Amino acid sequence: DTGVSQNPRHKITKRGQNVTFRCDPISEHNRLYWYRQTLGQGPEFLTYFQNEAQLEKSRLLSDRFSAERPKGSFSTLEIQRTEQGDSAMYLCASRLLSGGALEQYFGPGTRLTVT
Amino acid sequence: DAKTTQPPSMDCAEGRAANLPCNHSTISGNEYVYWYRQIHSQGPQYIIHGLKNNETNEMASLIITEDRKSSTLILPHATLRDTAVYYCIVPLFGNEKLTFGTGTRLTIIP
Repeated sequence: DTGVSQNPRHKITKRGQNVTFRCDPISEHNRLYWYRQTLGQGPEFLTYFQNEAQLEKSRLLSDRFSAERPKGSFSTLEIQRTEQGDSAMYLCASRLLSGGALEQYFGPGTRLTVT
Repeated sequence: DAKTTQPPSMDCAEGRAANLPCNHSTISGNEYVYWYRQIHSQGPQYIIHGLKNNETNEMASLIITEDRKSSTLILPHATLRDTAVYYCIVPLFGNEKLTFGTGTRLTIIP
């Protein structure tokens, strides 16, 4: 499968714990995006990378959230001191910059439940 | 991003054409209209995009009105696998992020 992959697919954690999610984009895609989706709502943009550089962060990305893409390939999203309001689906997407359209390819997501 | 308005839900009979409308009356001249869909428990999937001309690909057709204030996504022969939430998105020109809204929940009826 050469699509975007995300791990883990599901994560249950207790309030106050730290969690880390991983996204592997499509090979050679230089742009990588993180979105968050809560029940009944469309995905909301969190941040995106051009290779290893983080170019934009949403106001939704509080100080407890940090994202990295250290070698311009896979990316990680870490949430520190999780809160129940962090429960959501976390989606990763990638695209090739040379493609003119905003044709983002999405992974299956990581569903986080904070108890 | 230009504000978009879509009906919250629609039904369509299997095998018929599904026509999904979207209003985007504040769209600027250089902003594209994008359509994505999200099948239950999956990530969103790109369908099609256009500027002012009608567009067609293997998945769908996109009809944009001459004044560009509205558009219609057409699935020519809907199947049960087309049941999904469909999002009409008009990103700000040069903006990388997609603003999804709540979309239209399309149900294909056997």
